[in-house]
Amino acid sequence: EAGVTQSPTHLIKTRGQQVTLRCSPISGHTSVYWYQQALGLGLQFLLWYDEGEERNRGNFPPRFSGRQFPNYSSELNVNALELEDSALYLCASSLGRTAYEQYFGPGTRLTVT
Amino acid sequence: DQQVKQNSPSLSVQEGRISILNCDYTNSMFDYFLWYKKYPAEGPTFLISISSIKDKNEDGRFTVFLNKSAKHLSLHIVPSQPGDSAVYFCARWNTGNQFYFGTGTSLTVIP
Repeated sequence: EAGVTQSPTHLIKTRGQQVTLRCSPISGHTSVYWYQQALGLGLQFLLWYDEGEERNRGNFPPRFSGRQFPNYSSELNVNALELEDSALYLCASSLGRTAYEQYFGPGTRLTVT
Repeated sequence: DQQVKQNSPSLSVQEGRISILNCDYTNSMFDYFLWYKKYPAEGPTFLISISSIKDKNEDGRFTVFLNKSAKHLSLHIVPSQPGDSAVYFCARWNTGNQFYFGTGTSLTVIP
């Protein structure tokens, strides 16, 4: 069974640009989570999608947004990139909104110059 | 508000000895604590969990202890193996489906 996949693996953008990251959950999983791991910090919760709806978001500005498609895959969009957005962005999936065991993808390394 | 804190950024242990990773939390409202393990260039993988109604949960070489009065959580790995070298994150989860992760502790097991 395929795990959580993310694309691209690495990305370099300049300040002010926009970026879209993609995530495909494990088959059968309906919940998708996005996290940011900046250097020296833990995983910061960004967004949670379940059944196509945004269920919760972390303490991030509105330029961080996303969506979940009918096949449960998800996109994370970041507008007006800033240098401090440079981080590893991790996507995770779980069986549903009450399932605490998350399965993570390998992440997308975003560098903003 | 940092809901979970891992105060030790790194830990080195000899192979065969016990590794103890610690986590403190601030809010008592939770349903589960979880430990995740992360190798470089990979996403975190779930290791073990403990519910709020338990004091201990054991899975093979891994045991998690929960001290609710001290608001402290620890993961014991016995015996430690070189393949255990990774970054370990503690996380808390409640039925509002909110996850909070610590900053991680990098464990090095020396052969």
